[in-house]
Amino acid sequence: DAGITQSPRHKVTETGTPVTLRCHQTENHRYMYWYRQDPGHGLRLIHYSYGVKDTDKGEVSDGYSVSRSKTEDFLLTLESATSSQTSVYFCATSNSKQNYGYTFGSGTRLTVV
Amino acid sequence: QQQVKQSPQSLIVQKGGISIINCAYENTAFDYFPWYQQFPGKGPALLIAIRPDVSEKKEGRFTISFNKSAKQFSLHIMDSQPGDSATYFCAASFNDMRFGAGTRLTVKP
Repeated sequence: DAGITQSPRHKVTETGTPVTLRCHQTENHRYMYWYRQDPGHGLRLIHYSYGVKDTDKGEVSDGYSVSRSKTEDFLLTLESATSSQTSVYFCATSNSKQNYGYTFGSGTRLTVV
Repeated sequence: QQQVKQSPQSLIVQKGGISIINCAYENTAFDYFPWYQQFPGKGPALLIAIRPDVSEKKEGRFTISFNKSAKQFSLHIMDSQPGDSATYFCAASFNDMRFGAGTRLTVKP
């Protein structure tokens, strides 16, 4: 985890407000991913990035957007938070598109009230 | 729909016993099958992984068995220890990684 920092670690926000989560890596990995973790669902891919300004949607992208202006930073924005977006969010990085294993951050616990 | 199905949801094993977690997948394009271990408050960490050209991979007490024709793979933890108590996720990837729902393992002393 030392090379990936997620901030904030915990956040409580109100329904309808925008929220941005940050992932910062020092691994110089090209590929970055945002997942959400919910009981009974495991980890589900929200968005991913293959490089600076190169992003794409995952399986649960509705209500989320991402940006990557630098190799080391990948931002996840909830445009208008809803209670269904209460979850633990994990950022992951990889040095290969062939997925030789991801490195995960420690997560952000987001509660939408 | 869940592309990777994992069972059981939870597992209790006595110290020294064998823990077995099973996964099944549908997409034959998957070419990399890792297992991740997650402790409370931490992110998942890669434990062991296999590619479909081999049927078994062993690292210490951890073994992956892979059955390509059945589209199934499993994690075996030999001589399970209380420190192995964690949540385990199987995964499968092609261009991106898809995870199973997780198994909470408790090893009783």
